[in-house]
Amino acid sequence: QKEVEQNSGPLSVPEGAIASLNCTYSDRVSQSFFWYRQYSGKSPELIMSIYSNGDKEDGRFTAQLNKASQYVSLLIRDSQPSDSATYLCAALISSGSARQLTFGSGTQLTVLP
Amino acid sequence: GAVVSQHPSRVICKSGTSVKIECRSLDFQATTMFWYRQFPKQSLMLMATSNEGSKATYEQGVEKDKFLINHASLTLSTLTVTSAHPEDSSFYICSAEGRNQPQHFGDGTRLSIL
Repeated sequence: QKEVEQNSGPLSVPEGAIASLNCTYSDRVSQSFFWYRQYSGKSPELIMSIYSNGDKEDGRFTAQLNKASQYVSLLIRDSQPSDSATYLCAALISSGSARQLTFGSGTQLTVLP
Repeated sequence: GAVVSQHPSRVICKSGTSVKIECRSLDFQATTMFWYRQFPKQSLMLMATSNEGSKATYEQGVEKDKFLINHASLTLSTLTVTSAHPEDSSFYICSAEGRNQPQHFGDGTRLSIL
């Protein structure tokens, strides 16, 4: 089983709708979680980080973390065509003194005008 | 926000050439820098982790003699792909992490070996 798993999609939503992206992780050592957005041909851009259980809101983005279920999600409200991208879920896994960011395979989101 | 600069953005060269990629953290001290590789339609794969002033830690399957990493200062790391071959063609991305700074990525380098 992969350490960080995402539904690869593609996911299509109409403009103005809520896009829901999901991620599960297998390693209970993970304490920090991140969502990155990657446009085609570009490098990832950090959009949200979450460290504790519950919801964290930043503008149109809400990250949700449930450590008991090992589940982290990203909600995008009022989706715009410019949100169309691949969204990468990442977990920071600590092992001794080493820390490594492990990525999921990404979910491709298309927002239809 | 934190800025990580990566150069060059694109390289096209002949097989057997060595290619050097630079990664700089512009407005924070990077205690750790990471080098990733991404093939088309795949996720990022960590190649190596480097801490300033010490040898890089390579992931399993990554040849340290082929992918030379130097992290000489808290703001600069370099990756040299030695004697590159067509199978090394990929999107190489660096990231930097500092105290109280999560990983921020450079813009990536698209390497094409003919």
